[in-house]
Amino acid sequence: RKEVEQDPGPFNVPEGATVAFNCTYSNSASQSFFWYRQDCRKEPKLLMSVYSSGNEDGRFTAQLNRASQYISLLIRDSKLSDSATYLCVVTSNTGNQFYFGTGTSLTVIP
Amino acid sequence: NAGVTQTPKFQVLKTGQSMTLQCAQDMNHEYMSWYRQDPGMGLRLIHYSVGAGITDQGEVPNGYNVSRSTTEDFPLRLLSAAPSQTSVYFCASSRDRNEKLFFGSGTQLSVL
Repeated sequence: RKEVEQDPGPFNVPEGATVAFNCTYSNSASQSFFWYRQDCRKEPKLLMSVYSSGNEDGRFTAQLNRASQYISLLIRDSKLSDSATYLCVVTSNTGNQFYFGTGTSLTVIP
Repeated sequence: NAGVTQTPKFQVLKTGQSMTLQCAQDMNHEYMSWYRQDPGMGLRLIHYSVGAGITDQGEVPNGYNVSRSTTEDFPLRLLSAAPSQTSVYFCASSRDRNEKLFFGSGTQLSVL
């Protein structure tokens, strides 16, 4: 069983739409959670950390549900520049590794 | 701020050749790691280090060696390149294993 699973998409949405991604993790001892953005052939860049209370950064909202073992990312008012692959990343307090989902592809259409 | 510096950006090797991918960070991060990214596979951990003098294997370590003689540097060595090692490689570092990762710009490696 994979440590982290994501729907690969692709998600194709019109500009201005709201889109949500979920990511499930298998280890209940997981400690830290992140969303990264990766543009084609570029390095992943941190979009936001995910906190237990949920957090918001402009049009982006991240939430953590420990009981159901998933994290979510909500993007409101989608822009063309939001087109990218979104990776969820999870760490565990029982190991020394970061676990990556395979990514969800988003294309925002004019 | 340099952050994580990874070289080279592109490399073509012949089967059986060896080479070293360089990775350096200037953030005094204890944790450093190497990943490879293949289409449809996501990022897979090759080796990681939790501090100078300490390294460990990740998910796909075969054919690769690492060393961590200083906090700043974490080179990845391909011992005898194989076509299966054609991939994009990323180095990443973080303050510790539960803090956000910072990535280098990647190396696109082709083994013919």
